[in-house]
Amino acid sequence: DAGVIQSPRHEVTEMGQEVTLRCKPISGHNSLFWYRQTMMRGLELLIYFNNNVPIDDSGMPEDRFSAKMPNASFSTLKIQPSEPRDSAVYFCASSNIDLGQPQHFGDGTRLSIL
Amino acid sequence: GQNIDQPTEMTATEGAIVQINCTYQTSGFNGLFWYQQHAGEAPTFLSYNVLDGLEEKGRFSSFLSRSKGYSYLLLKELQMKDSASYLCAVRDSGENSGGYQKVTFGIGTKLQVIP
Repeated sequence: DAGVIQSPRHEVTEMGQEVTLRCKPISGHNSLFWYRQTMMRGLELLIYFNNNVPIDDSGMPEDRFSAKMPNASFSTLKIQPSEPRDSAVYFCASSNIDLGQPQHFGDGTRLSIL
Repeated sequence: GQNIDQPTEMTATEGAIVQINCTYQTSGFNGLFWYQQHAGEAPTFLSYNVLDGLEEKGRFSSFLSRSKGYSYLLLKELQMKDSASYLCAVRDSGENSGGYQKVTFGIGTKLQVIP
């Protein structure tokens, strides 16, 4: 079975540019999570979708961040404009939360904003 | 909200046993997960506890005491490949979770296995 698929794996861009991260969850999972991981703060939940609907976006740092899930098989996380402090590893994870299943993580996107 | 504490770093010897502790405070506990994360890779699921007691899975075991807000991950017969970060994550379905089952991760314990 294919796991959670994220793209790109690496992204290096200059501050002020728009960044779009993509995620394809595991088929059949009804919940999708976007996380940001840094050495200082660990794994932080940015936003959580259930059945394509955003349930909790309290972790989204500010208006520069936005996320969408137009259908059950695709989600995007957008940063516009990007800043150097956004540099981190961004993980997407999916699960079937109704059954109490663990989250399955994608390989992450290593984002560097210069 | 939730408060999850685990040691930042630990070192253990190949072949030995190591115990990684996790304490938490939450209003509506609904399960605790342990994940392993090798450097540069994604977290992968290790174990899940929702009732008190010990869950054993090969060389890895996880223990939970809900009354004490405490869990540990026990790794036996340590191998060099066990060098990784171990993340404790708590699921909360209480009032402060916004009405859904929210999972919060600890900062992780970086385990170094030495020869």
